[in-house]
Amino acid sequence: ILNVEQSPQSLHVQEGDSTNFTCSFPSSNFYALHWYRWETAKSPEALFVMTLNGDEKKKGRISATLNTKEGYSYLYIKGSQPEDSATYLCAFFSGGYQKVTFGTGTKLQVIP
Amino acid sequence: DGGITQSPKYLFRKEGQNVTLSCEQNLNHDAMYWYRQDPGQGLRLIYYSQIVNDFQKGDIAEGYSVSREKKESFPLTVTSAQKNPTAFYLCASDRYNTEAFFGQGTRLTVV
Repeated sequence: ILNVEQSPQSLHVQEGDSTNFTCSFPSSNFYALHWYRWETAKSPEALFVMTLNGDEKKKGRISATLNTKEGYSYLYIKGSQPEDSATYLCAFFSGGYQKVTFGTGTKLQVIP
Repeated sequence: DGGITQSPKYLFRKEGQNVTLSCEQNLNHDAMYWYRQDPGQGLRLIYYSQIVNDFQKGDIAEGYSVSREKKESFPLTVTSAQKNPTAFYLCASDRYNTEAFFGQGTRLTVV
């Protein structure tokens, strides 16, 4: 069983604040890390697919970084908006074509 | 449009009954997964399949069974041996470790 942890478990921020959270994963046998956004009553949707150490990806106000040597990825949201409220999941793929292991998610609530 | 379809959206089961949750994808994905989510917890892997006619147990396989007779379909049966089946069940698929796509989920309640 692979240990993929996300922190914090939940987060409340004011509209306009910037925020970030962490996904920790095993540093050995890394293949890829994905970030997903999961809104209540909807399917999770992919945000980023990250494969190389040092990767930085950006989509609008959301960005992510990857450090495979130390086994962590950060997700940043700049100027949080109420529509950013969701659970953010990371998914760790280990060496080659193997099953994905999800983190427990960070539940973000942006207060207007 | 390609995607994953789970059915039903809501399912009620009497104690001692087996029920089967459907998951169908038309994305030509090789790998398919079943996850369970309980309130306040993350997704936990029940079973996964990387190719037709082959599947592997995940972290919480006890009380569940699956089949993979076709690439497109990966049904999950919740058996009477599953002592606490009330949960949200999510099916996913991916191809060669690209991003995963998810179904809408099935909420199973034991009555």
